[in-house]
Amino acid sequence: AQRVTQPEKLLSVFKGAPVELKCNYSYSGSPELFWYVQYSRQRLQLLLRHISRESIKGFTADLNKGETSFHLKKPFAQEEDSAMYYCALSDHRIKAAGNKLTFGGGTRVLVKP
Amino acid sequence: EAQVTQNPRYLITVTGKKLTVTCSQNMNHEYMSWYRQDPGLGLRQIYYSMNVEVTDKGDVPEGYKVSRKEKRNFPLILESPSPNQTSLYFCASIYRVRGKMNTEAFFGQGTRLTVV
Repeated sequence: AQRVTQPEKLLSVFKGAPVELKCNYSYSGSPELFWYVQYSRQRLQLLLRHISRESIKGFTADLNKGETSFHLKKPFAQEEDSAMYYCALSDHRIKAAGNKLTFGGGTRVLVKP
Repeated sequence: EAQVTQNPRYLITVTGKKLTVTCSQNMNHEYMSWYRQDPGLGLRQIYYSMNVEVTDKGDVPEGYKVSRKEKRNFPLILESPSPNQTSLYFCASIYRVRGKMNTEAFFGQGTRLTVV
């Protein structure tokens, strides 16, 4: 079974400090990993995916298959980064079972001025 | 504009009174899904649909029903709501090409349901 774990429920950092959100997953197949973000009173939206290897809003995430992790990092947090962040996993090989997108419990990030 | 629309945004109801939360997408996606969001538990999948007339249970399907009579709509039905179904519900329309790594979920605005 797929499982995504985000050990931190809340991360509080000061503006300009680095922030790292941890995400660990368990899945024996070929996972596709994502980070979704939910700003206050807005819908969830895709932040980045491991396959694209790009930096979005200063955030990066590297898939480490050996450690089964996909931590999200930003070297200098900004106040507008305050939001709820969800790590998610999908197996693109699933055929008849349909698309199962599994989310972690979420981490709330609070960036203080 | 590509979007997923849920209605209503807020709903307070009483135990046992049937209700339906609608979800509509205009992106012609085959895959759609319903999630509930609870503090500390993240998003948990209730039901999903691979295409018209093809639906299946997610992780927490008890007490819910869905239907997919047409591609754009995927309503969530609570036949007899109970207080433990008080939650924030999200519908998602999912773009994917089978066998390729390019999945992206587009979410509705959410429906905050309170069952008293």
